[in-house]
Amino acid sequence: AQKITQTQPGMFVQEKEAVTLDCTYDTSDQSYGLFWYKQPSSGEMIFLIYQGSYDEQNATEGRYSLNFQKARKSANLVISASQLGDSAMYFCAMRERDNYGQNFVFGPGTRLSVLP
Amino acid sequence: GAVVSQHPSWVICKSGTSVKIECRSLDFQATTMFWYRQFPKQSLMLMATSNEGSKATYEQGVEKDKFLINHASLTLSTLTVTSAHPEDSSFYICSASPTGSRETQYFGPGTRLLVL
Repeated sequence: AQKITQTQPGMFVQEKEAVTLDCTYDTSDQSYGLFWYKQPSSGEMIFLIYQGSYDEQNATEGRYSLNFQKARKSANLVISASQLGDSAMYFCAMRERDNYGQNFVFGPGTRLSVLP
Repeated sequence: GAVVSQHPSWVICKSGTSVKIECRSLDFQATTMFWYRQFPKQSLMLMATSNEGSKATYEQGVEKDKFLINHASLTLSTLTVTSAHPEDSSFYICSASPTGSRETQYFGPGTRLLVL
């Protein structure tokens, strides 16, 4: 079963507008972490934001905020004031514990295109 | 801080040869390093978890004898693709979790492997 679901293969947003990238997850762990990464065409994975399962407040990092709804098991990324440089693939990921320690699982990704 | 390097960034080799990829954490110690594989327009797939001083843990479907992982020190893990074939052509990315930190992992820039 898919542990991380990103239902939007591609998204378009106008420059300077906000955009929400969806992410839902599936886990039976009580303690887990949720991450968002950006992957530009160069291929490098850039860490954007982290939310722990016990964190009561939504994480924020500059223009990035994570809309964490634990009961719905969703962790949507909100990018405010989009910039042309935000065009990239965005991956939602989850860290959970398995029998061997910690395990990271990535979603299929959403390609964001920012329009001038 | 928290820089992870990979070497080489690009490699082209003939079918049947072995290729070694190095992953180094430059300014922190990493007890755990991860190796991922990414095919074009797809998400990252975890291949194995590498723990310093112990055997790597491979994900289901990943051949241990094909992809040799060595994590000899707290700053270096290597992935050797043995007897490479064209189907092994892919983008290989490593990441490292700082010792004592479960909250995040830092990614290397990736290595593009092309097997002719």
